[in-house]
Amino acid sequence: NAGVTQTPKFQVLKTGQSMTLQCAQDMNHEYMSWYRQDPGMGLRLIHYSVGAGITDQGEVPNGYNVSRSTTEDFPLRLLSAAPSQTSVYFCASTPQGADIQYFGAGTRLSVL
Amino acid sequence: GESVGLHLPTLSVQEGDNSIINCAYSNSASDYFIWYKQESGKGPQFIIDIRSNMDKRQGQRVTVLLNKTVKHLSLQIAATQPGDSAVYFCAENTGGSYIPTFGRGTSLIVHP
Repeated sequence: NAGVTQTPKFQVLKTGQSMTLQCAQDMNHEYMSWYRQDPGMGLRLIHYSVGAGITDQGEVPNGYNVSRSTTEDFPLRLLSAAPSQTSVYFCASTPQGADIQYFGAGTRLSVL
Repeated sequence: GESVGLHLPTLSVQEGDNSIINCAYSNSASDYFIWYKQESGKGPQFIIDIRSNMDKRQGQRVTVLLNKTVKHLSLQIAATQPGDSAVYFCAENTGGSYIPTFGRGTSLIVHP
């Protein structure tokens, strides 16, 4: 199993551009989440999903959209990138009934 | 609001020493705690967990201690090795929620 795969690994955007961060998992996990990690800070939850077709907002959802059309994929869309969205983004998945999260390697995003 | 926090942001130890990383939590309803390790450039990885009906749990070279009286959690790493250098996060869950609350993290630096 590949686990949780995030693409791209690195991305540079200009202010106002839009893009989609991809996340895919091959473990048939029901739950998936997106976090951002800023220097000296912990992980802050952006959006999460408890199953295909179901998404909900986390702690810092503004400026981001998500969708969950399949169990495997959970893309994160930046609608109009801002410098404040420069961060490292992590996707995670969790099997139903469990609590341990499995993280991807992250996407390092810079917005100029 | 209630949150998970860490006492020390950086811990430096010599190779072979034992390391203790501390975490304070304030949500008395939390009943499940997890430690994650994040190596440079990677996503967090599960190390060990403990439920609130336990006060100690041991793994390979790691031990987690839970003191519910003072709402304190610690991760002990025996015979610390250079490969243990990483950021360590504690996370707490409340029953029924699979989305944990993460602390800020402690950077462990192991000197050879």
